[in-house]
Amino acid sequence: QKEVEQNSGPLSVPEGAIASLNCTYSDRGSQSFFWYRQYSGKSPELIMFIYSNGDKEDGRFTAQLNKASQYVSLLIRDSQPSDSATYLCAVISQNFVFGPGTRLSVLP
Amino acid sequence: NAGVTQTPKFRILKIGQSMTLQCTQDMNHNYMYWYRQDPGMGLKLIYYSVGAGITDKGEVPNGYNVSRSTTEDFPLRLELAAPSQTSVYFCASIQGGNTEAFFGQGTRLTVV
Repeated sequence: QKEVEQNSGPLSVPEGAIASLNCTYSDRGSQSFFWYRQYSGKSPELIMFIYSNGDKEDGRFTAQLNKASQYVSLLIRDSQPSDSATYLCAVISQNFVFGPGTRLSVLP
Repeated sequence: NAGVTQTPKFRILKIGQSMTLQCTQDMNHNYMYWYRQDPGMGLKLIYYSVGAGITDKGEVPNGYNVSRSTTEDFPLRLELAAPSQTSVYFCASIQGGNTEAFFGQGTRLTVV
């Protein structure tokens, strides 16, 4: 089992809809969880991080963490075409590990 | 504040050549990482370091070496380059715990 897995894409949503991105991790001792956005040819950029169970909101983005289920998600409300990118889930366990990414397309 | 600086940005190597990818951070971060990213894929961890003098292998270390003689620098060495090492390489640093990782701009390497 891979350390960090994400729902396979690509994911397409219409403009204004909610995009839901999911991530599971295998190391129960993992402490911190990150969502990064990566545009083609660019470095990953941090959207938000979460380390406590529950929800964390930042503008149109909400991260949800459930340590018992080893699951972390990212919701993007009012999706915009500029949100079209690859979203990477990252976890700090014994080191800093990334998932394979989910490509999101927001259709005008 | 420069953050994480990677050089070079682009490089073409011939099979069997060697090179060093440079990574420097000025934030006094303890943790530094090297990743490679193949087209359409996520980031795979090559090597990491938790402090000066300490390095360890990640998921895909074969064909690479690293050193960490100072807190600031974490160079990645490719010996005997192979076409399979064609990729984009990212260096990242993090202070530790629940803090943001900072990435360099990446090095696009092609081995022909």
